[in-house]
Amino acid sequence: GEQVEQLPSSLIVQEGASVLINCSYTDSASVYFPWYKQEPGKRLQFIIDIRSNMERKQTQRLTLLFDKKTKHLSLHITATQPGDSAIYFCSASMDSNYQLIWGSGTKLIIKP
Amino acid sequence: EAAVTQSPRNKVAVTGGKVTLSCNQTNNHNNMYWYRQDTGHGLRLIHYSYGAGSTEKGDIPDGYKASRPSQENFSLILELATPSQTSVYFCASGMGDTQYFGPGTRLLVL
Repeated sequence: GEQVEQLPSSLIVQEGASVLINCSYTDSASVYFPWYKQEPGKRLQFIIDIRSNMERKQTQRLTLLFDKKTKHLSLHITATQPGDSAIYFCSASMDSNYQLIWGSGTKLIIKP
Repeated sequence: EAAVTQSPRNKVAVTGGKVTLSCNQTNNHNNMYWYRQDTGHGLRLIHYSYGAGSTEKGDIPDGYKASRPSQENFSLILELATPSQTSVYFCASGMGDTQYFGPGTRLLVL
């Protein structure tokens, strides 16, 4: 079945820096890729998504790039703030039954 | 006010005991999901539901049952809890692509 891998597993950067989180998947039938954020002690929260007919999506300081050929996604966060400290999850869905396969997460720590 | 709530938030159970985790949503979403989250595994889908009266097996259903008596409520039942079921459990609701999560339940099985 589908497998989703995220790298790196953890990341520490200085406030104001940019970060890149990578995600890869195995099944070419996956068509929808939402990302979620889990701040310490809080529930998972949707942050951005992309569909397989798109290459790029941007919202505020987040840019999500998608490469269908290599089955690879990357989440770029610019001008990081302490509030960006969280675990970021990539996920993939194959069809409209809305079942998500999740990556293992990237723990991001922003140093003030 | 939070639209997806879970109870209890923390639970200690004994091996072989029965555990029921409850989830309530006020989003009026058709779909509801139960996941467990373990370090290094991300979230894994246990059971899900398309609406009242429906339950479907996810990726790791063994040892778990689910019940969806109404649009608002979705329960996860561990009939005979085992230490391997120690984890954090998340419920989510959705109507379409985006899922909305509850705060999680920490379960420790001794």
